[in-house]
Amino acid sequence: LAKTTQPISMDSYEGQEVNITCSHNNIATNDYITWYQQFPSQGPRFIIQGYKTKVTNEVASLFIPADRKSSTLSLPRVSLSDTAVYYCLVGDIGLTGGGNKLTFGTGTQLKVEL
Amino acid sequence: ETGVTQTPRHLVMGMTNKKSLKCEQHLGHNAMYWYKQSAKKPLELMFVYSLEERVENNSVPSRFSPECPNSSHLFLHLHTLQPEDSALYLCASSPGGNSYEQYFGPGTRLTVT
Repeated sequence: LAKTTQPISMDSYEGQEVNITCSHNNIATNDYITWYQQFPSQGPRFIIQGYKTKVTNEVASLFIPADRKSSTLSLPRVSLSDTAVYYCLVGDIGLTGGGNKLTFGTGTQLKVEL
Repeated sequence: ETGVTQTPRHLVMGMTNKKSLKCEQHLGHNAMYWYKQSAKKPLELMFVYSLEERVENNSVPSRFSPECPNSSHLFLHLHTLQPEDSALYLCASSPGGNSYEQYFGPGTRLTVT
């Protein structure tokens, strides 16, 4: 399994762009990069997934350099409600018959203030 | 609305009790999962079911017994638990294939006394 490293915590203010970088030096050729968000006492919520270059959806953007050894989750104009833990995961192989095995790390606690 | 429901949301049980957690997904997914999240610890994958067959068991103690009667329902049977088993138990489902997107339920907050 590819190991990921991300900052333990980050602070920001409302309206700012937040970039959370994740290192995954031993990512495998077939691995995808996935980000989840988790609020206290709730299950994680899928944010975005990518393989290379840039992926954008209505919530965030994901930037992946050519060597794929890192990735950056970009949250535009954060608000107080974006205060949560953000997890970077590197996708494991798909299991026989479907399903997959995700390994969550400790994540990055983002705190957004006024 | 995640499409994944869990009951009960909160459970307090003694160490000699037997209880079951229930998970139901309304998304037509092929795979379902049980995770454990203890205070200030990462989520730990406990079990994975794909097409109703268990394909992954991360060395979970036998006092936790999963059951997947069909692709929409998943149970976690609990017996003779320990206080250290107190945690948030999360159920998730995914479409299968090569999608890494999992949909999580709200969780069951379990307290073992």
